[in-house]
Amino acid sequence: TAGITQAPTSQILAAGRSMTLRCTQDMRHNAMYWYRQDLGLGLRLIHYSNTAGTTGKGEVPDGYSVSRANTDDFPLTLASAVPSQTSVYFCASSEQGTGTEAFFGQGTRLTVV
Amino acid sequence: GESVGLHLPTLSVQEGDNSIINCAYSNSASDYFIWYKQESGKGPQFIIDIRSNMDKRQGQRVTVLLNKTVKHLSLQIAATQPGDSAVYFCAENIEEDTGRRALTFGSGTRLQVQP
Repeated sequence: TAGITQAPTSQILAAGRSMTLRCTQDMRHNAMYWYRQDLGLGLRLIHYSNTAGTTGKGEVPDGYSVSRANTDDFPLTLASAVPSQTSVYFCASSEQGTGTEAFFGQGTRLTVV
Repeated sequence: GESVGLHLPTLSVQEGDNSIINCAYSNSASDYFIWYKQESGKGPQFIIDIRSNMDKRQGQRVTVLLNKTVKHLSLQIAATQPGDSAVYFCAENIEEDTGRRALTFGSGTRLQVQP
C-alpha cells in the first residue's frame, strides 16, 4: 500500500508562475490536509478537506487554493508564486470523525526564485 | 491565539539512556494528542497518541503522559537508540466551531543520540 503520494519531490519555480502540487492517497480517508513546514515554525495548516467536495481554510491559506473532486486526490495550487512560499509542503490524510492520527506524505520541497 | 509549544528545542542523550521530551499546550478544549517523529528529508511519522480521558499510554519503548491540570504532555523513550535521532513534534487535535478538525503542531524538539 502506497499510503500518500506527493509529486513532485522538489521543484524550483520562478516567481509569478503557477504550480500545482499533487497529492493522492489510497487509504480511502475522508479528511485530507496540506501543511507547510518552515524552519523554526513547525508545520502550519494551509487548507483542509473533511470530505470529498468540501474544503476549508487553515492557518495560512493566502496565496493557495485547493480542490477535492474525489476522495483520493487533493491538489494544492499556487496561482502566482512568491519567494515567501519557499517551503516544504506536506500532504496528509486521516479518517473522518473523532480525532485520529494523520498520515503524511514524503513532502515536496519548493523553492521560489 | 492558543497554541501548542515545546520547552526544549534540542535534547542530547547518551545511547541507552531514557529520553523525555516535553510539550505544553494552552487549548483546554483539546481532546486528542499525538506525537510524531520526523527524520531528515521525510514526512512526520506517527509514534503514539493519547486521548484527553487518559493520563498515560504506553507503546513499544515509548510512553506518553498527559497532565491536563497543567496542560502538559511528555514523550518518554526508553533505552534511546541512534535510530531515535530525529525531530519530535507534539500535536493537538480539536474540533472547532467551523467543523474543522486538524492537527496543530508545536515547533519541534530535536533529539540527538550520542553513541
